[in-house]
This record gives sequence, structure tokens and C-alpha cells, in this order.
Amino acid sequence: EPEVTQTPSHQVTQMGQEVILRCVPISNHLYFYWYRQILGQKVEFLVSFYNNEISEKSEIFDDRFSVERPDGSNFTLKIRSTKLEDSAMYFCASRQAFVVEQYFGPGTRLTVT
Amino acid sequence: QQPVQSPQAVILREGEDAVINCSSSKALYSVHWYRQKHGEAPVFLMILLKGGEQKGHDKISASFNEKKQQSSLYLTASQLSYSGTYFCGTGGVYNQGGKLIFGQGTELSVKP
Repeated sequence: EPEVTQTPSHQVTQMGQEVILRCVPISNHLYFYWYRQILGQKVEFLVSFYNNEISEKSEIFDDRFSVERPDGSNFTLKIRSTKLEDSAMYFCASRQAFVVEQYFGPGTRLTVT
Repeated sequence: QQPVQSPQAVILREGEDAVINCSSSKALYSVHWYRQKHGEAPVFLMILLKGGEQKGHDKISASFNEKKQQSSLYLTASQLSYSGTYFCGTGGVYNQGGKLIFGQGTELSVKP
């Protein structure tokens, strides 16, 4: 069964550094999402991406954040100048066109020290 | 605005039933239910669409009341494997980007 994959599973970085989180969505999916979950809290929407551009972003997705689909398979989330409060689990999700079900990847735990 | 889930937590004995509610102040197009086990990704359970019928998956089913803007998840004859945090997500309009806004979660613990 196809699934969304994410790498790395755990990333530790120092405050102020840049990180790139990688996702490989399910191959025939066209809509891509990033969500984050601070430990013990709910899942929060960050950004949606379709047709090589951002469809919508939340207030959390400030100008330190960017997304990219550099090739036909990868979908990346870059965070510049990381802050302690960026520490969270980051989930990538994808879905097909004309279907609303979203499938989540296993997540990347980001720890900013 | 995020949906509101109730209860926040529930403890069951194996074989007991539970109901988790998800309410929104905004008109709902779709309600998505996920279960998340500790340290894992949310796993899609089912989706209910506006105008759609009640769905079921094994002993887990859900309903969607458009007038009340509320969805309920029913867990029947609970099993130990049902333990986890249940999230409802609202939104997901497929032709408008489709972001999901999640409730705060309901922690379900099933004891032997």
C-alpha cells in the first residue's frame, strides 16, 4: 500500500540554524500539506501546496518557513533561523485531486536546542 | 476556528462503548476522524461529507449532523487497540486547497 514517507525521523539543531525536512508524498497525489504538533497538543495546519505554489498558509508559517517541490517526488519544508518554539513533530500529508482524504507521513521530530 | 471535541478524555474497560463528539461554529463541509497513538502519525479512520451517509469501519462508526454542525464517533465493544488520541478535522474542501483544522483531541484509554 503506498504511503507518505518523511526524512529524517528526528532532527536536532541549534537555535538560529536552518533545517530542511523532506517528504515523499504518495505518487499520484497532487495536493501537499505540512502540519505540526507540539508535544501533547493538537495537530496544526502550516501550509498547503498545489500546482507548484502555496494555496494557503497559517499564521505559524511566517517568513522563516518555505516549501518547495524540487522534483517530481520530493516536497520539502525549510525553516530558517530556527527558534526554540519550532520544536515539534512535523507531519507531511498528501491527497489526490477531487478527493478530500489526506494521508499523513510518520513525521519528523524537530528539536531545537 | 477549531472544532471542539468532547469529552477530553475517557477511560473504558474492554468491551465497553464510547462516543466522541466534534462540534463546529462554522458550517461544515467534511469531518475527518483520525486516531493517533503515542509517538506516531495520525491514522485516517473515516470521513463524512456534507450530505453523505453515516460511515462505518469495523466496530467504529460515525455520523454527521449538518444542522447541529456536529459529528460523533461511535466506538462499539472497544478493544485494547482502540487506545489513543482521537482527532476530528474539519474543512477539507477539495477544490479550495483542503486544509484540515483539528480539534484538541480526545484521549481514549481502554483497559483490560
